[in-house]
Amino acid sequence: AQKVTQAQTEISVVEKEDVTLDCVYETRDTTYYLFWYKQPPSGELVFLIRRNSFDEQNEISGRYSWNFQKSTSSFNFTITASQVVDSAVYFCALSFAGYSSASKIIFGSGTRLSIRP
Amino acid sequence: NAGVTQTPKFQVLKTGQSMTLQCAQDMNHEYMSWYRQDPGMGLRLIHYSVGAGITDQGEVPNGYNVSRSTTEDFPLRLLSAAPSQTSVYFCATRSMGDNEQFFGPGTRLTVL
Repeated sequence: AQKVTQAQTEISVVEKEDVTLDCVYETRDTTYYLFWYKQPPSGELVFLIRRNSFDEQNEISGRYSWNFQKSTSSFNFTITASQVVDSAVYFCALSFAGYSSASKIIFGSGTRLSIRP
Repeated sequence: NAGVTQTPKFQVLKTGQSMTLQCAQDMNHEYMSWYRQDPGMGLRLIHYSVGAGITDQGEVPNGYNVSRSTTEDFPLRLLSAAPSQTSVYFCATRSMGDNEQFFGPGTRLTVL
């Protein structure tokens, strides 16, 4: 089965707190890609990061960091010192290599993050 | 360079009506896809195309048709709209040489 699970439906924290969004995926493919997207209240989908299955290095971009662990099939996303502008729905997603598979992304159900001032 | 455009932005239909959601891209991307987003369910793939003249079904294709006569355009057709098709529809494109998908701004469809 190919699946992405975001068990946290909603998270609410106070501004400046750190918050981690969990993502667990399932696939038998050895080559795959993991993504995080942000969907602010305006509705568009904003690409945040892509990771391929052969690159387990963690990544940091400003206040955002991602922890990819193949051993636990997880790709967690941490926001440090959260801000009100971080309030959005965040989606974790999984894609595959291959001619026909490459068009398809499997999305998790999303985590709604609310940052309170 | 407009990227991925979708029209219309909003649409209200009555049950049984037909319509076409338009998606166009100017990035010369080979891959194009249609997703629907329902509350609490993330995005689900409806149909996709790996190039002009080639289309295939995704996870939830029933009630929708697509065609890809040019690289730039990938319209989604609802032949007989049903209330269950009330959703937000996103078109996405991707280059063969990359793995990032670019999403359009979405079309919010309501079927009464």
